[in-house]
Amino acid sequence: QVQLVESGGGVVQPGGSLRLSCAASGFTFSSYGMHWVRQAPGKGLEWVAFIRYDGSNKYYADSVKGRFTISRDNSKNTLYLQMNSLRAEDTAVYYCAKVSEPSNYYDSSLDIWGQGTMVTVSS
Amino acid sequence: QSVLTQPPSVSGAPGQRVTISCTGSSSNIGAGYDVHWYQQLPGTAPKLLIYGNSNRPSGVPDRFSGSKSGTSASLAITGLQAEDEADYYCQSYDSSLSGSDWVFGGGTKLTVL
Repeated sequence: QVQLVESGGGVVQPGGSLRLSCAASGFTFSSYGMHWVRQAPGKGLEWVAFIRYDGSNKYYADSVKGRFTISRDNSKNTLYLQMNSLRAEDTAVYYCAKVSEPSNYYDSSLDIWGQGTMVTVSS
Repeated sequence: QSVLTQPPSVSGAPGQRVTISCTGSSSNIGAGYDVHWYQQLPGTAPKLLIYGNSNRPSGVPDRFSGSKSGTSASLAITGLQAEDEADYYCQSYDSSLSGSDWVFGGGTKLTVL
């Protein structure tokens, strides 16, 4: 079945780094753009970053631009989020999600979500 | 403050109909970009509920429906059931002079009385 499984979350000190992974299965990963979306404790959903199916274009929320890097390895069916210079406000559950339409990425819904991985930034 | 505005909470009794609004602007919903809706049950990941303004993915009951007009969209739930108690989020694409982003509403908590 179509599945996304995140990993790599944990507790990190302010200013530290963490790399999240999202393993995809059950669909042709290399054909679909992928998002990272986060949710701070008790808060709503916040879009973080998007990467096109081939990695040719990457987009970031202003809140993470210059600190986070989205990437993918289509040979390993895996999406990544490298998070540097972490701040307390980055504390959240991070979800990876797949776009539903390969060709219309900006207008496409997010049809498959992972279970999320928790990132806590605290000293 | 979210780019898309939703009421923080709505409530209804079992069997009733409730609607959740999602108000945007000329750079997102009003620009013609699609609106999608997600349901998040307590302690779980979001799930796609409505895509492309008014389409239901396979497996979503027809009690859920979506619509869009101008700079706003709405999610309607008829025949309210206890299992519908969840948080609901609208989502669209925003493109303005300052850049382009995918955006979510702040979320609406549905309480079934």
